[in-house]
Amino acid sequence: QVTLKESGPALVKPTQTLTLTCTLSGFSLTTDGMRVSWFRQPPGKALEWLARIDWDDDKTYSTSLRTRLTISKDASKNQVVLRMTNMDPVDTATYYCARMSWYGGNDYWGQGTPVTVSS
Amino acid sequence: IVLTQSPGALSLSPGERATLSCRASPTVSSSYLAWYRQKPGQPPRLLIYGASSRATGIPDRFSGSGSGTDFTLTISRLEPEDFAVYYCQQYGTSPTFGQGTRLEIK
Repeated sequence: QVTLKESGPALVKPTQTLTLTCTLSGFSLTTDGMRVSWFRQPPGKALEWLARIDWDDDKTYSTSLRTRLTISKDASKNQVVLRMTNMDPVDTATYYCARMSWYGGNDYWGQGTPVTVSS
Repeated sequence: IVLTQSPGALSLSPGERATLSCRASPTVSSSYLAWYRQKPGQPPRLLIYGASSRATGIPDRFSGSGSGTDFTLTISRLEPEDFAVYYCQQYGTSPTFGQGTRLEIK
């Protein structure tokens, strides 16, 4: 059974760095063709893609957030980690990780983790 | 790639047909276009990929069509669980989403 689960702090202060972890189950990111992305969704707003990491460690970032994001994987723990620096209240959102299916689109999503940026 | 969905909201009754539009600028290559349904408090669920292929477990009342810049999601007979927000997504190198269409019960 494929599952993804996000974890991280619910509250961060402005200028701090946010670190989120996505724990994968039922598949391995080291398998050829596997890709995992991070997304976010501010309250009442649309989804936004943030970053993606592939089985071969190739990484792609949102153009608008590239300078603030780092995505990495820990194969031994089957986890994907996202770091976002210099957090601001506009970054308040629910953050999701999701697997990209081999045929297209994101077929499995975590339940999301809400993050509030406030002093 | 900017995706513009229309209408922003749609009010229909169960059993009716829903037609949702997604326009891309510029062109979406190789039909890398997906549709998702999102219910309140839940993550999105993949409905359609490749513009017209149903994802695993998606009933045949959902269908997708289009290519290039114009795409459509059709729900032939609305069920109560279909009243939700729908997003289109292009999943090329730098994925983007439309702003969503809210499907409401009339």
